[in-house]
Order: sequence, then C-alpha cells, then structure tokens
Amino acid sequence: QKEVEQNSGPLSVPEGAIASLNCTYSDRGSQSFFWYRQYSGKSPELIMFIYSNGDKEDGRFTAQLNKASQYVSLLIRDSQPSDSATYLCAVVTNTGNQFYFGTGTSLTVIP
Amino acid sequence: DGGITQSPKYLFRKEGQNVTLSCEQNLNHDAMYWYRQDPGQGLRLIYYSQIVNDFQKGDIAEGYSVSREKKESFPLTVTSAQKNPTAFYLCASSKSPGVGNTGELFFGEGSRLTVL
Repeated sequence: QKEVEQNSGPLSVPEGAIASLNCTYSDRGSQSFFWYRQYSGKSPELIMFIYSNGDKEDGRFTAQLNKASQYVSLLIRDSQPSDSATYLCAVVTNTGNQFYFGTGTSLTVIP
Repeated sequence: DGGITQSPKYLFRKEGQNVTLSCEQNLNHDAMYWYRQDPGQGLRLIYYSQIVNDFQKGDIAEGYSVSREKKESFPLTVTSAQKNPTAFYLCASSKSPGVGNTGELFFGEGSRLTVL
C-alpha cells in the first residue's frame, strides 16, 4: 500500500473555476502535510502546509485536513492559466523525519 | 541569498561510469535529502541525512551512495550498479519543525542525468 495516494489526473478546469485536488495517506500518525506545485522541468515549490484538522486559507488556496478520514485536499479558487502544473501532496509520518510524496496531480487551467 | 545549489544541471553519462551530483546548502539546515523523479511519477527517496557523518537509505538506495562530511554538503554518487539511472535528481533540505518554522522541504533546481 502506498503511503500517499493522489489521482494522477489530468484535471482540467476553465479559467476562474475552482480546482479541487485530493490526497489520502496511510499512516494514521502522520503529523504534517504539504502541497507543492511543480512546473514542467522545474523543482517543486511549497504552496501550503497544514498540521491541524480543518481548513487553512492563503489567498486563492485553501488546504483542508481530515485526520479521521486520512484525507487532505487543496482547493484553488479563481483558477488561472499560470496555475497549470503538477501538484504534489507530501506527508511527514510519525516514524521520523521522512517526507512521503504522492505521484502528483496534473492540473490544466483552460483560458 | 540562502538556498540550495545543485550541479551540474545537465549531465550525460556512458554506461558503466560513476557520476557524482553536487548539493550544497547555506540554509543551516540539519537534514538533507536526495530524491529521484521519473516522468509522470512522484518523488522517490534515495538517501537522507539528519546529521553530519550519518545517513540512512531511502526506498531506492540500491546503486547509489552518499556522504555527509559537512553540514552544508550532501553529494550523491550514481554508480554503475544503478540499472536505470536516467532521471531528474532533486536535492532538498529541511529544518526540524519547531516554533517559527514549518519543517518544510526546500529544493534545489535539480540535476537531469541522461545515460547514453
């Protein structure tokens, strides 16, 4: 069983719509959750992090965490063509200082 | 500017050759990591180090070696034993989570290795 699972997509949304990206994880003791954005050929960059159950908002981005369901999501409001990228979910487990990454979801925002 | 520097950005290797990828950070981070990324896939952990002179294998360590002689440096050697080394290699570092920091991973720009 993979530690972190994401739908690979591709996910396409029209400009201005809400994009919803989902991630599930297997280690119930996981403590820290991160969303990274990766443009083609580039290295990942941090978009959001969340530690506590509930929602966390930063500009157009909202991260949602539900530890009981072992589920973390990223919502992108008012999607822009510049949001077109692969979004990686990363989880730090309770067993140590290791980051486990999902395979990423490819998002395309259509102008 | 603080950050992580990887070199070279592009590297071509003939089969049977060892190559070493450089990773240097001036963020004063204790932990450093090497990941491999193949097309359409996520990041897979090769090795990580939480302290100088100590490192642990990740999920795909076979055919790779590392050293951590200095806090700032964590070079990765891709040996001839690695059967399919063509990939995008990412070095990262992190500070342990605590007050005032998120414990996030900071990435270098990556090194793209192609075996001819």
